[in-house]
Amino acid sequence: GAGVSQSPRYKVAKRGQDVALRCDPISGHVSLFWYQQALGQGPEFLTYFQNEAQLDKSGLPSDRFFAERPEGSVSTLKIQRTQQEDSAVYLCASSTGPDRGREQFFGPGTRLTVL
Amino acid sequence: GNSVTQMEGPVTLSEEAFLTINCTYTATGYPSLFWYVQYPGEGLQLLLKATKADDKGSNKGFEATYRKETTSFHLEKGSVQVSDSAVYFCALSDQGSNSGYALNFGKGTSLLVTP
Repeated sequence: GAGVSQSPRYKVAKRGQDVALRCDPISGHVSLFWYQQALGQGPEFLTYFQNEAQLDKSGLPSDRFFAERPEGSVSTLKIQRTQQEDSAVYLCASSTGPDRGREQFFGPGTRLTVL
Repeated sequence: GNSVTQMEGPVTLSEEAFLTINCTYTATGYPSLFWYVQYPGEGLQLLLKATKADDKGSNKGFEATYRKETTSFHLEKGSVQVSDSAVYFCALSDQGSNSGYALNFGKGTSLLVTP
């Protein structure tokens, strides 16, 4: 079956522009995560959804970052007024539900470059 | 808070050599431990996992044992192949507020296997 997909795969933005990154999780997956991966680093948690509810947004670096999952499936991560430090790969992952041993399935990521 | 420390790379080995990538963790609860792998041009994928102390995860000839006494989860393979060249990430999941068991990753270790 289809895995997690993300679009666009690459995005170049001028500083100050708004961007929207899309994630299509595996059908039926309850849990959805967004991570940010800087060059040469491991992914860092941004936010978590259980169905349509955003239960944890403690990892969002500033109030310029906003995420939603209105119908409990597709999710969008929006970054307003992008800054150079926002340049990173943004990863989406989904799993069947909240459990500490549950595998997360990752999308290919969106590489954001802010000029 | 929770954290993962893994040995820095890059690691360069000849084909059929023995591989060890060290990983230690700090956690407040009883985490599950994972190794994820990122092959060139591909997304993160689960390599193996262990959910409780003394469990051994294994897959594709790789093994790692959950050692609570040393808070470690070292990755080993007896004979590496060129196709094992990738970046390896150690990670843990533990319940933190409402994070849905988000993953805490190490920085990653790049492995290059030469013929």
